[in-house]
Amino acid sequence: AQSVTQLDSQVPVFEEAPVELRCNYSSSVSVYLFWYVQYPNQGLQLLLKYLSGSTLVKGINGFEAEFNKSQTSFHLRKPSVHISDTAEYFCAVSYSGGYQKVTFGIGTKLQVIP
Amino acid sequence: KAGVTQTPRYLIKTRGQQVTLSCSPISGHRSVSWYQQTPGQGLQFLFEYFSETQRNKGNFPGRFSGRQFSNSRSEMNVSTLELGDSALYLCASSLELGNYGYTFGSGTRLTVV
Repeated sequence: AQSVTQLDSQVPVFEEAPVELRCNYSSSVSVYLFWYVQYPNQGLQLLLKYLSGSTLVKGINGFEAEFNKSQTSFHLRKPSVHISDTAEYFCAVSYSGGYQKVTFGIGTKLQVIP
Repeated sequence: KAGVTQTPRYLIKTRGQQVTLSCSPISGHRSVSWYQQTPGQGLQFLFEYFSETQRNKGNFPGRFSGRQFSNSRSEMNVSTLELGDSALYLCASSLELGNYGYTFGSGTRLTVV
């Protein structure tokens, strides 16, 4: 079964500093990978997705992620965070080819410190 | 265009009761998925519907059920509520099957007392 591991439950970072949120997945086949963000009392919003092609994926709000097949990772990065980036971030995976459900990681709470 | 609409936003029920939650997907989206979100378990997949047919189901007891109507709107039902069913229930829609990225609603916060 597919699974997603988000290695950090909470990440504090100072405003304007860079941040990396880590995500590893387990799969021996081709996958689709996603990052979502959830602000308090809201649903999840898609930040970016990797379906195929370039391994560096750019998303909304200045975020990007790099697909690394050999390390089965899909880490999320932002070069300079803002207070408004304080939220919970979820990595998700599904198998490509045919239909499979999406499995989410447990989430990483990003706290931006002024 | 309007986003994914979930109603109601908040709900308080007592143990043993049953509840129905509603989800209206983005216009033109034919796939609707349901997730249960709790602090300890994260997002757990409940089921997905496409063209009024359940296409995939998670590991939840039979008390959890759902359906999709011809206009793609979906409902999920939980019977014989337990305290552990307290959670945020999220609905997500997508254009087609194939998991190319969801659009989520704001969720229904269910509290069972």
